[in-house]
Amino acid sequence: LAKTTQPISMDSYEGQEVNITCSHNNIATNDYITWYQQFPSQGPRFIIQGYKTKVTNEVASLFIPADRKSSTLSLPRVSLSDTAVYYCLVGVLNSGGYQKVTFGTGTKLQVIP
Amino acid sequence: SAVISQKPSRDICQRGTSLTIQCQVDSQVTMMFWYRQQPGQSLTLIATANQGSEATYESGFVIDKFPISRPNLTFSTLTVSNMSPEDSSIYLCSVEDAAYEKLFFGSGTQLSVL
Repeated sequence: LAKTTQPISMDSYEGQEVNITCSHNNIATNDYITWYQQFPSQGPRFIIQGYKTKVTNEVASLFIPADRKSSTLSLPRVSLSDTAVYYCLVGVLNSGGYQKVTFGTGTKLQVIP
Repeated sequence: SAVISQKPSRDICQRGTSLTIQCQVDSQVTMMFWYRQQPGQSLTLIATANQGSEATYESGFVIDKFPISRPNLTFSTLTVSNMSPEDSSIYLCSVEDAAYEKLFFGSGTQLSVL
């Protein structure tokens, strides 16, 4: 199982772009990189997923270098409501041959007014 | 996306008793997972529940303490048995969406053991 390393916490002012980097040196060829967001008293929520290069959706971008040993979640123009814990996961989900994913420590993002 | 309902959302229990947590999904899923999240900590996988077979437990978790049922493709229960204050945590049910390679989570059950 690929282990992930993220900063424990980050602070950002409202309106700024936030980049959270995750290291996963032992990522396997078939592993995807997935980011989840968790608010207090809620279960984690899927944000974005990628395999290589760049992925963008309506809430975030995910940058993955060619060696795939790290990834960066980019949140554009954060607001107070983006205050949450962000988890980086690597692994493969497959009904035919599920491989477990492991949650790391996560990054607690605090957005400041 | 899958919608997951967990019951109860929270409970306060006396030590030595047991609590059964229910997880209902709005679609049929092959794999269901139970996680524990201790206060201020990350998520730890307790077990994987596949319909029609015994649950598979992770290291540090045993069936006698956390029995799991998976009677059909939309429902599962986790029982926390003979509770102690150390069992005070959030317990989360999760399902995989193989089509989208991601997990969906319920809102969790906040358990406090006195």
